[in-house]
Amino acid sequence: RKEVEQDPGPFNVPEGATVAFNCTYSNSASQSFFWYRQDCRKEPKLLMSVYSSGNEDGRFTAQLNRASQYISLLIRDSKLSDSATYLCVVYSGNTGKLIFGQGTTLQVKP
Amino acid sequence: SAVISQKPSRDICQRGTSLTIQCQVDSQVTMMFWYRQQPGQSLTLIATANQGSEATYESGFVIDKFPISRPNLTFSTLTVSNMSPEDSSIYLCSVDVDEKLFFGSGTQLSVL
Repeated sequence: RKEVEQDPGPFNVPEGATVAFNCTYSNSASQSFFWYRQDCRKEPKLLMSVYSSGNEDGRFTAQLNRASQYISLLIRDSKLSDSATYLCVVYSGNTGKLIFGQGTTLQVKP
Repeated sequence: SAVISQKPSRDICQRGTSLTIQCQVDSQVTMMFWYRQQPGQSLTLIATANQGSEATYESGFVIDKFPISRPNLTFSTLTVSNMSPEDSSIYLCSVDVDEKLFFGSGTQLSVL
């Protein structure tokens, strides 16, 4: 089993749609959680951190469920420019490592 | 945040040759990280480059294949040695600022 698992997609949605991605992690000692965005042939860029209480940044909402060991990313009112791969990243304090998921590809169509 | 300049951005190399990738950071950082991202895959950590000591390699990666230099707190190089087509990948350097990773723009390597 992978330490961090994501559905690779692709998720094909029309503009304006709401789309959600989930990510599960296996290490219960994981401490920090992030969503990164990676455009085609570009480096990953931090989209947002994920806090226990959930957090929102504009059209993006991230949530953490420690009991079930998953995090989610919700994108409202999808834009064409949201088309990218979204990477789930988990930091485990006991290993001191950041583990990347495979990524979920989103394609927003007009 | 951090600004990282990575070069070359891409290269096409012959089997058996070596390529050195450079990363320059706009501020001093304790650790720099080197990742590999194979097509359709997630990022895999190759090694952590520490200034003043040998790099720490992850399982499956060895110094002879991926020698790393870290001469100061703003610069690091990764060499991909004796390349084979299996080394074709994107190589990324990154730094940790407040537990958030910032990446260089990546080096897309193709080995013929």
